[in-house]
Amino acid sequence: ETGVTQTPRHLVMGMTNKKSLKCEQHLGHNAMYWYKQSAKKPLELMFVYNFKEQTENNSVPSRFSPECPNSSHLFLHLHTLQPEDSALYLCASSQEGPSSYEQYFGPGTRLTVT
Amino acid sequence: GQNIDQPTEMTATEGAIVQINCTYQTSGFNGLFWYQQHAGEAPTFLSYNVLDGLEEKGRFSSFLSRSKGYSYLLLKELQMKDSASYLCAVMDSNYQLIWGAGTKLIIKP
Repeated sequence: ETGVTQTPRHLVMGMTNKKSLKCEQHLGHNAMYWYKQSAKKPLELMFVYNFKEQTENNSVPSRFSPECPNSSHLFLHLHTLQPEDSALYLCASSQEGPSSYEQYFGPGTRLTVT
Repeated sequence: GQNIDQPTEMTATEGAIVQINCTYQTSGFNGLFWYQQHAGEAPTFLSYNVLDGLEEKGRFSSFLSRSKGYSYLLLKELQMKDSASYLCAVMDSNYQLIWGAGTKLIIKP
């Protein structure tokens, strides 16, 4: 148990569907992240929320829309996705400070876009 | 641009020692991380180096040379459960992690 949970673990959706991924951290951290992990590629940072404020979006397409209602919950809303968006979506959290940047990851959501 | 290089795949024998290398070119440096990721699972933290030298933690050790932009992860007394991907990541001047593509380590009996 890493203290970061994600639901659903697996998701298959059509290109016209709308779905949401959920992440919850039970560690009292103040920063949360969405990453995309594709086979044999580096983790791609999508969004960062620090103290509930979005601080980074790294030019992610608008078909991905994050929401962070509080410091423990993070959502990724998906709509009109493309097949190339199929990947593992990982959520992470950290307690940002001068000597503490270790990120704790959730198990991920395996997304398949058909 | 920013770049992290590590081998795609390595194979080693149970009980042996393996060294996984990582070289980096980043905008600034605020530390280097190693994570382990078993197939279908979350990455988990292994080590953090911000100063040059070797950090030992049980069977795992991590080395950093900032002047060479180089790190390695050393795994001793390999066990079958060490079969996993090992991810190298560097924290840049903006405190963002830049990730390598990972090294898949296969342990054979």
